[in-house]
Amino acid sequence: DSGVTQTPKHLITATGQRVTLRCSPRSGDLSVYWYQQSLDQGLQFLIQYYNGEERAKGNILERFSAQQFPDLHSELNLSSLELGDSALYFCASSVDVSTGTEAFFGQGTRLTVV
Amino acid sequence: QQPVQSPQAVILREGEDAVINCSSSKALYSVHWYRQKHGEAPVFLMILLKGGEQKGHEKISASFNEKKQQSSLYLTASQLSYSGTYFCGTEIVSGGSNYKLTFGKGTLLTVNP
Repeated sequence: DSGVTQTPKHLITATGQRVTLRCSPRSGDLSVYWYQQSLDQGLQFLIQYYNGEERAKGNILERFSAQQFPDLHSELNLSSLELGDSALYFCASSVDVSTGTEAFFGQGTRLTVV
Repeated sequence: QQPVQSPQAVILREGEDAVINCSSSKALYSVHWYRQKHGEAPVFLMILLKGGEQKGHEKISASFNEKKQQSSLYLTASQLSYSGTYFCGTEIVSGGSNYKLTFGKGTLLTVNP
């Protein structure tokens, strides 16, 4: 158990809908990362937050947004869902954003868009 | 900006060795290695920092060539438990002092008895 909690574990929804994925980082970790993993694309970096502020952005679509709350949990909002958004979404946390900091991954949320 | 891993897949017999390579087109501050078993979350193996410091696994070693922006993961005397997908993650500067951790597409390692 990495100490990072993601909910829900599975989500099935229809095209055009909006969903929210939640992540609780390890106790003491201030930085949260979101990744999308589909079959042939590896771990695609979406966005990173540190202590409530956005710090880095990757290949995140405009239909997606995220935030980190004062209690440090983070939510990833996916809207106007398309079939291609079906993937495993991972959240990871680390103590800070300095280089060489180990990241701990949650178990992921499997999103299926039908 | 995504690092490139090679090979994409490798099959070994128990006890054999393997090398997984990772290269980047950007200057790197560190390289991370993670292993993911099917249906599970990626698990940290090792971090290699600029300047030579390493943090991580006892039985798996790695190298980091800063000038060539490359890293290699060495799996020696492989065990069945080594099977999984290995991801290389590279940290590059992303504005100011922030470092963005970006992963390659992974290398699928299968160890057979």
